[in-house]
Amino acid sequence: GAVVSQHPSRVICKSGTSVKIECRSLDFQATTMFWYRQFPKKSLMLMATSNEGSKATYEQGVEKDKFLINHASLTLSTLTVTSAHPEDSSFYICSAREVGRREFFGPGTRLTVL
Amino acid sequence: AQTVTQSQPEMSVQEAETVTLSCTYDTSESDYYLFWYKQPPSRQMILVIRQEAYKQQNATENRFSVNFQKAAKSFSLKISDSQLGDAAMYFCAYRSSLTQGGSEKLVFGKGTKLTVNP
Repeated sequence: GAVVSQHPSRVICKSGTSVKIECRSLDFQATTMFWYRQFPKKSLMLMATSNEGSKATYEQGVEKDKFLINHASLTLSTLTVTSAHPEDSSFYICSAREVGRREFFGPGTRLTVL
Repeated sequence: AQTVTQSQPEMSVQEAETVTLSCTYDTSESDYYLFWYKQPPSRQMILVIRQEAYKQQNATENRFSVNFQKAAKSFSLKISDSQLGDAAMYFCAYRSSLTQGGSEKLVFGKGTKLTVNP
């Protein structure tokens, strides 16, 4: 089946720094990628939807200036958490879809902000 | 907006027995997709089963089957012959059909934690 990778799997950073998380579709062209946030023992919360070559569509309540999403190619999307604070600590999951096909999820990235 | 409700925060089952996880949803659309995802402790989301709303026949994948009741907007998951490896969080999800101009995004329920007792 299709594979989606995320890098890094874990990251620890200091408060005030920025962190970039990469999401790659390894064997298909992802026309659409999604970014989710998941708190412990909670469901996935969609943060934004990105289509290759266009600006991401953010869900209500998600700060677009804080969570920068770039989908520059059909196999790569990045999420940058700018000026991270402890409350940004969470598990971030990406997923990718090719037109007409189902969604495949990455393994997730655990972000800890000290 | 569509909503998905999973009314069972936790469920448990004995190994080799059968368990049913409940899911209801609310939508005004006629064409859509429904999914069950499994999230084991590794946190990797795994698709268990998928149902297309226009298909009356319930989807089946080996030990996993669904009871799709469109009129009642119900989509329960039955796990037969439960195995220790089935222990995980299970999420029910809804997605609109693009043919009706719907959104591509998945709407998730809050999840049900399944414990399998040996």
